[in-house]
Amino acid sequence: DGGITQSPKYLFRKEGQNVTLSCEQNLNHDAMYWYRQDPGQGLRLIYYSQIVNDFQKGDIAEGYSVSREKKESFPLTVTSAQKNPTAFYLCASRKGGQETQYFGPGTRLLVL
Amino acid sequence: QKEVEQDPGPLSVPEGAIVSLNCTYSNSAFQYFMWYRQYSRKGPELLMYTYSSGNKEDGRFTAQVDKSSKYISLFIRDSQPSDSATYLCAMSAYEGSQGNLIFGKGTKLSVKP
Repeated sequence: DGGITQSPKYLFRKEGQNVTLSCEQNLNHDAMYWYRQDPGQGLRLIYYSQIVNDFQKGDIAEGYSVSREKKESFPLTVTSAQKNPTAFYLCASRKGGQETQYFGPGTRLLVL
Repeated sequence: QKEVEQDPGPLSVPEGAIVSLNCTYSNSAFQYFMWYRQYSRKGPELLMYTYSSGNKEDGRFTAQVDKSSKYISLFIRDSQPSDSATYLCAMSAYEGSQGNLIFGKGTKLSVKP
């Protein structure tokens, strides 16, 4: 059963803590994306990766970091430098040569 | 001017109504257009994909693109309470790996039984 999985579904962060959100896909897609969704803000691009071992900053990369060591995996770390991390985080992937992106179920990050 | 404008709603209609959702855009280079449906606290799911101008129909859903007016629409016929969700438009200028999607902010639709 192909798809995109994100874990955990809910994540709590304490002050000064780094947390990592997982995104895995078994669709054999080349490109992967991380978005942040806030109420009334729509989807904002954090980072994206077109191929393994390469990634680019999106519109709001400050306070976030990523890695792309495997084609299937694109974890996002929310660092302590991100002062307002509370949001719904969405991972997406896209097959090379196509325009449509497919989304995972999302991770809701809350600050304690 | 923002690249993609979408009325956030909320839009409330009775069951069985025809719903019209719209987006306008400013970049004339956009040629790939998508509509996503997002239920509360879920990830968006691809609903319709259209290349360039014209209409595309899939069951109760019709996507329409008017590039001359820089305007896209999604029509839902015989709307159902299960259609209650936020609808996001998205568009891209480039083929394949060259570009990223630009999203509207979404329109929240509520279909009342």
